[in-house]
Amino acid sequence: GAGVSQTPSNKVTEKGKYVELRCDPISGHTALYWYRQSLGQGPEFLIYFQGTGAADDSGLPNDRFFAVRPEGSVSTLKIQRTERGDSAVYLCASSQGLAGETQYFGPGTRLLVL
Amino acid sequence: GQQLNQSPQSMFIQEGEDVSMNCTSSSIFNTWLWYKQEPGEGPVLLIALYKAGELTSNGRLTAQFGITRKDSFLNISASIPSDVGIYFCAGQQIYGGATNKLIFGTGTLLAVQP
Repeated sequence: GAGVSQTPSNKVTEKGKYVELRCDPISGHTALYWYRQSLGQGPEFLIYFQGTGAADDSGLPNDRFFAVRPEGSVSTLKIQRTERGDSAVYLCASSQGLAGETQYFGPGTRLLVL
Repeated sequence: GQQLNQSPQSMFIQEGEDVSMNCTSSSIFNTWLWYKQEPGEGPVLLIALYKAGELTSNGRLTAQFGITRKDSFLNISASIPSDVGIYFCAGQQIYGGATNKLIFGTGTLLAVQP
C-alpha cells in the first residue's frame, strides 16, 4: 500500500519568502507528526495532530511556523518570512493514533533558504 | 530541542564484523526505538522496546531497554554492505496523556567495507 508522501521533495526559496510543505499520511491514520532534521542531527519534533486538531505544538520554534490538517488527512506546514536557519529536511510521519503505534515516516522535504 | 546522547558518532568497519551502539538520556522513557535512515529517505523502524530490561531481536539486530529506563543499546551481528546508513535511537512516552512524540538521538553513521 501507499506510504506517507511529501511534496515537494525539494524547495529552494529566498529569505523572507513564504513556503508551504504538504504531507499525505497513510490512509486511515489518525495521528500525524511533523519533525525537522538539520544536517548531521536527528529529527526534532515540531507538532502532532490527532484528527483535525493540533494536540501538541510545543516543538514549533516560533510563530512563523504554523500547521493545519483541516479534514484530518492531508497536513500543510506553513513557514512565514523564512530565514536561512530554517533550512533543513522536514519530515512527516503518521500512525494509527493509538498509544505506542509505529510512526511511519515520509521521505521528507528538503528546504533550502538562500 | 532535546536530543539523546548517542555513541559512537560514526563507525567504519569490515563486512562480517559485529557492531554496537548505545544511547543515553537524562529523562526516563517507557518506550525505546531504533530507526535506520538511508540517504534521501525518512527513518524506518527496526526494533521497538516496551519494558525495562527487555532484550529483543530482529534478524541480525538485537536491542536492549536499559534497567534504569534511561538507556538502550543496539547490536548488529555479521554486518553486510546493506547495513550502511545512519542509525537513530528514539525515546517515547506512551502513557499519561503524552503525545507519542519521538525524541531522537544524534545518530550513528555506519559504513561497511566489503
